[in-house]
Formats: sequence, C-alpha cells, structure tokens
Amino acid sequence: DTAVSQTPKYLVTQMGNDKSIKCEQNLGHDTMYWYKQDSKKFLKIMFSYNNKELIINETVPNRFSPKSPDKAHLNLHINSLELGDSAVYFCASSQRQDSGANVLTFGAGSRLTVL
Amino acid sequence: LAKTTQPISMDSYEGQEVNITCSHNNIATNDYITWYQQFPSQGPRFIIQGYKTKVTNEVASLFIPADRKSSTLSLPRVSLSDTAVYYCLACPEQGGKLIFGQGTELSVKP
Repeated sequence: DTAVSQTPKYLVTQMGNDKSIKCEQNLGHDTMYWYKQDSKKFLKIMFSYNNKELIINETVPNRFSPKSPDKAHLNLHINSLELGDSAVYFCASSQRQDSGANVLTFGAGSRLTVL
Repeated sequence: LAKTTQPISMDSYEGQEVNITCSHNNIATNDYITWYQQFPSQGPRFIIQGYKTKVTNEVASLFIPADRKSSTLSLPRVSLSDTAVYYCLACPEQGGKLIFGQGTELSVKP
C-alpha cells in the first residue's frame, strides 16, 4: 500500500501551459506539504495544510495554487508555467506527535519539465 | 535558511562505519535533530531523531553532545545500497517548518 502517492510521476509541458499535480495520503495524517527540489538538490517548502487549512505559504509565485479538498488530498495547480518551474515536486504528510518533532512521509515525487 | 551545516559529500567503502557530522550552533531549545535519507528518484525517508545523548535504531545511531551544537549520524557497516543523500534538520517540536539544507551525498564504493 502506497502511503503518499503523487500523480503524475513525470510531466513534460510547454511554457505558458497550466498543469496540476495530485497527492493523496492514506496514513490518516492531518498535515500535508508541498516541497520543490531543484537541480542542486535543495528541498524548499512551498505550502503546508493542516486539516484543509493553509498554515504555511512560503514566498511562492501566485501562479502556484494548492487545493486541499479533504485532509487526505493536497493538489498543486500551476498556471502559466515557466522554464524555472522545472523541478521535482514532492508531496509529504505528517501527524502531530506526543513528543518530538513531526516526521514527514514523502511521496516519490513528480518531475516537471517545462520546455 | 537551513539551521544546519553538513559536508557536501563523503566517500566510503563497503563494510566501513560512516559518521556524518552536522553543525547546528543556533539550535532552539525545542528543536529535535532529525535525519532523512534520499535515494535517487525517490522522496526523502526518515531515518532517526533525537534530542540529546544517543539514539539507536535498526538503521543508524545518532550522537548528540550535551551542548547540542552538533550531532553525528553513524551508519554501521555501510553497503552499496546506502549510497544516498543524507539530510540533517533541526525540527521544531510539534509542528512548524522543516527546512532542508543541501545534505551530504554519501557514495559507497565496493
């Protein structure tokens, strides 16, 4: 059973197009995230939702719009794609711990290539 | 900015013990040291977490000195399949942003 699943795994598109990446988790976690990993391997947090409510919104162009229809899903829609949007996008989820820091479970990533 | 600093890369041979040190001079009182492992074309995977002293699980050990300004991830007897990027994070307790640094690219050779 896949814990955090993202679709599509690969996405190749032209500049200016609009695309979406979907994410679903079956762990019962209450928090979900989107991270972007560039070619230099830096992982940057983009958004975080807790029980469908946006709690972290980093400095991301407003062409990126997350949507959480329920706490098991967090989708990422990107308008007017640009070359610089090419990256691997990771979805993750976590659950509040009784002690310690939250542990994230990541999906396998969605590689977006903008031509 | 990441709160941690670690070597960009390390090389090792199969069967050796590998120690990756992470600096976190400005760690907050409620931060936990957490390590993730990322294989090529996969998402990061949680390895181990600790607050102070030593923590051990089936994968690794984590050593955190009393001042908590650094920590060391120890991988016993590495194999080729341990080749990956290892990220050290100072994670706030009970939520907050998890900020990843550049990670340490470990290459295990036969």
